[in-house]
Amino acid sequence: AQTVTQSQPEMSVQEAETVTLSCTYDTSESDYYLFWYKQPPSRQMILVIRQEAYKQQNATENRFSVNFQKAAKSFSLKISDSQLGDAAMYFCAYRGPYAQGAQKLVFGQGTRLTINP
Amino acid sequence: KAGVTQTPRYLIKTRGQQVTLSCSPISGHRSVSWYQQTPGQGLQFLFEYFSETQRNKGNFPGRFSGRQFSNSRSEMNVSTLELGDSALYLCASSLVGQGRNEAFFGQGTRLTVV
Repeated sequence: AQTVTQSQPEMSVQEAETVTLSCTYDTSESDYYLFWYKQPPSRQMILVIRQEAYKQQNATENRFSVNFQKAAKSFSLKISDSQLGDAAMYFCAYRGPYAQGAQKLVFGQGTRLTINP
Repeated sequence: KAGVTQTPRYLIKTRGQQVTLSCSPISGHRSVSWYQQTPGQGLQFLFEYFSETQRNKGNFPGRFSGRQFSNSRSEMNVSTLELGDSALYLCASSLVGQGRNEAFFGQGTRLTVV
């Protein structure tokens, strides 16, 4: 079974600085998808960024970027120029190959990110 | 375009009762998944429905069930509620196919069992 591990229960960063959240996963598949979701106090899960395993290029969305190391099964999230609105719980998630059809997400335990003004 | 809508937002039930939660997906999304979120167990997959059929099921007892209607709206039901069922229940909808088929989540239903 696939597993996702986030080893940092909590992280904090000064506003405007850069922070990196770690995620490792375990799978025997070669084709899969990885995601970072953000869950603010409102509790709604918001997609931050996604990465297809077959793509070697790291995904980037504005201030958010990932470092995808397929061989190491590592998928870290870098947030640049941190803003107060980035404070939230961040979850790393894995989804299996498209060919399997199902949309099941496997989540890590989450990292609570605090932004210090 | 309206997002994923879950109703009700909050619910308080007594142990032994049953409860039904509703989820309306984004228009055009035919896949609906349900997750349970608790402080102890984190986010756990309950089940997924596509075209009114359950495609995948997590490791939950049979007290947890669901269904999907022809308009893709989905309901989940929990019978004989236990205190441990208190959780945030999240619904997610997605397109199915290659490409941008990520899951979009609703705001959740907070269930408290007393």
